[in-house]
Amino acid sequence: NAGVTQTPKFQVLKTGQSMTLQCAQDMNHNSMYWYRQDPGMGLRLIYYSASEGTTDKGEVPNGYNVSRLNKREFSLRLESAAPSQTSVYFCASSAIGGETRTYNSPLHFGNGTRLTVT
Amino acid sequence: QKEVEQDPGPLSVPEGAIVSLNCTYSNSAFQYFMWYRQYSRKGPELLMYTYSSGNKEDGRFTAQVDKSSKYISLFIRDSQPSDSATYLCAMSAVGGTSYGKLTFGQGTILTVHP
Repeated sequence: NAGVTQTPKFQVLKTGQSMTLQCAQDMNHNSMYWYRQDPGMGLRLIYYSASEGTTDKGEVPNGYNVSRLNKREFSLRLESAAPSQTSVYFCASSAIGGETRTYNSPLHFGNGTRLTVT
Repeated sequence: QKEVEQDPGPLSVPEGAIVSLNCTYSNSAFQYFMWYRQYSRKGPELLMYTYSSGNKEDGRFTAQVDKSSKYISLFIRDSQPSDSATYLCAMSAVGGTSYGKLTFGQGTILTVHP
């Protein structure tokens, strides 16, 4: 039972390069999220997807784009990486939403992608 | 001012001690409260979650919510070296467009030494 799987685990980019972080969950969850974690800042929400085909901005969306490819997969793209995007990125999923209209359900996290932009 | 404030520590205690971790918050719409544990180089894992005010116990862990004071706590009894981790409080509003969007505290680094 894999839960939430993120790839790659580590990545180093030069300023201006682009990349896509991949996330997949096998729990049949409706909602998926991308967070970034920085020292002293806790986790901050970048984007989320309440259901397949929908995405919305979180607290810190600038410089990122997302795609909810299907119910399982939610990717995060950096079009032109900047040093300020050096961080640890976490994907999460939750059973919130959907046909059962579940409102209370915790988030389950992957193990993160550690990104350095030089 | 941040919506959720958590003392980052670090906190260092001897094995067997009772640990108290705390968060305060300012948004009265928060009704769903969680504690996550995060080991080094791993993702946060859910430890406890509670809905609205009250206490919830699970083994050596007790989560407490006081909505009137906008204050939540996590108590760890008989702490073990394996409890050494970063503890994150998190909370969200319920229903509407909240969609489980969590607001996190900064995390408290806990070390339990033998």
